[in-house]
Amino acid sequence: DVKVTQSSRYLVKRTGEKVFLECVQDMDHENMFWYRQDPGLGLRLIYFSYDVKMKEKGDIPEGYSVSREKKERFSLILESASTNQTSMYLCASSLFGGRASNEQFFGPGTRLTVL
Amino acid sequence: DAKTTQPNSMESNEEEPVHLPCNHSTISGTDYIHWYRQLPSQGPEYVIHGLTSNVNNRMASLAIAEDRKSSTLILHRATLRDAAVYYCILSGAGGTSYGKLTFGQGTILTVHP
Repeated sequence: DVKVTQSSRYLVKRTGEKVFLECVQDMDHENMFWYRQDPGLGLRLIYFSYDVKMKEKGDIPEGYSVSREKKERFSLILESASTNQTSMYLCASSLFGGRASNEQFFGPGTRLTVL
Repeated sequence: DAKTTQPNSMESNEEEPVHLPCNHSTISGTDYIHWYRQLPSQGPEYVIHGLTSNVNNRMASLAIAEDRKSSTLILHRATLRDAAVYYCILSGAGGTSYGKLTFGQGTILTVHP
C-alpha cells in the first residue's frame, strides 16, 4: 500500500517562527501536493511539485514556500508563521505527471496552531 | 476549471443503498470525474473515478450520465463507516494540470444505525 506520512499530527508554534512541515511518500511518486483545509473553505492547493527541484504555485501560495530535494520528500515552509496560517495541512502524492486519471494518496494531516 | 455542484448533506440508513449526486454541466471532453471521501480526522481517500463509462470497484459504483453533465456515486450498502464528506471533483488531462484536484464543499453523508 502507498503510504504518505507527515512529520507531526499536531504542532503549536508562535507568530514569527519559521515552520517546516515534512511529507514523505514511499511509492516513488512523481507528483506531490500540499493543501490546507479550513472550515467552510474546504481543501485549497498551496503548492505542488511534479519532479525533484520542480515546483508550481497552487491557488494560495502566499506566505509559503516549498522544497523538494529528494523524490520522496516534499517540505512546506512557513517563513514567518502568522495566526491566519493556523489550519490543517494535508500532503498528497500521485504517480505520473500530466495524467488526469491519477489517484492522489493523502497523508493524515498536520494540525498547526500559530499563537 | 469546470465546477461541480453537490448537495450539502444527505442521510441514509445502515445497509441501504446511497446515491450521491453531482452536477458538472461545464465538464470538458477530457475531464475525468473523481470521487474522494474524507472520514472524520483523516485525510481524503480516493473512492473511484471515470471518464465516460460507468465504473465499479470494491468500494462503490460510479454512474455517469450519457451527456456527462452529471454523475452519481452509489454505495450499495451503507455502513456506519461510510459516514464521511464525499467530494466530486473534475480533473483535466495533460499539459500542466499534473492531475491537480480542486475540492469543493462536498456532501456530508450521515448514516443512521
